[in-house]
Amino acid sequence: AQSVAQPEDQVNVAEGNPLTVKCTYSVSGNPYLFWYVQYPNRGLQFLLKYITGDNLVKGSYGFEAEFNKSQTSFHLKKPSALVSDSALYFCAVRPASGGSYIPTFGRGTSLIVHP
Amino acid sequence: EAQVTQNPRYLITVTGKKLTVTCSQNMNHEYMSWYRQDPGLGLRQIYYSMNVEVTDKGDVPEGYKVSRKEKRNFPLILESPSPNQTSLYFCASTPTGGYQPQHFGDGTRLSIL
Repeated sequence: AQSVAQPEDQVNVAEGNPLTVKCTYSVSGNPYLFWYVQYPNRGLQFLLKYITGDNLVKGSYGFEAEFNKSQTSFHLKKPSALVSDSALYFCAVRPASGGSYIPTFGRGTSLIVHP
Repeated sequence: EAQVTQNPRYLITVTGKKLTVTCSQNMNHEYMSWYRQDPGLGLRQIYYSMNVEVTDKGDVPEGYKVSRKEKRNFPLILESPSPNQTSLYFCASTPTGGYQPQHFGDGTRLSIL
């Protein structure tokens, strides 16, 4: 069975500083990995995904994520945080072959960017 | 505009009174799924559907039913709601291809008294 761990319930960062939201995963075989963001009273919005190829993936709103197969991690990063980045972030995984097309989500990490 | 539409957005009801939350997508996606979101637990999958008339249980299916009679619709049915089903519910759709991201509705907040 696949699983995702987001070890931090909350991440606090000052505006203008770099941010990292951590994600580790467990899956049989190669993974498809996703990051989503949720703003208050809204559904989840897709940010970026890793399918294959370059380990550094770039996505929406200046976010990027680094896939590390040996550490089974897919941490979300941004060089300079904005107050408007404050939201709930979810990491998700599914196996690249076999299994359900529906991914498994982590518990979410609340990102708070202070002015 | 491509979207997943859930109704109602908010509902307060009482234990045992049957309710249905509708979900409709206009993107011709094959896969649809229902999640519930609870504080500290993240998103947990209730049911999913791979196509018309094909549904399967997720991680927390107890107390819920679904149907997929048309490709665009995937209603969630609570036949006898209980207070432990008070939660925020999301419907999502996905096109064929496991590398495709999901499209989510804006959520339905259910309160069962």
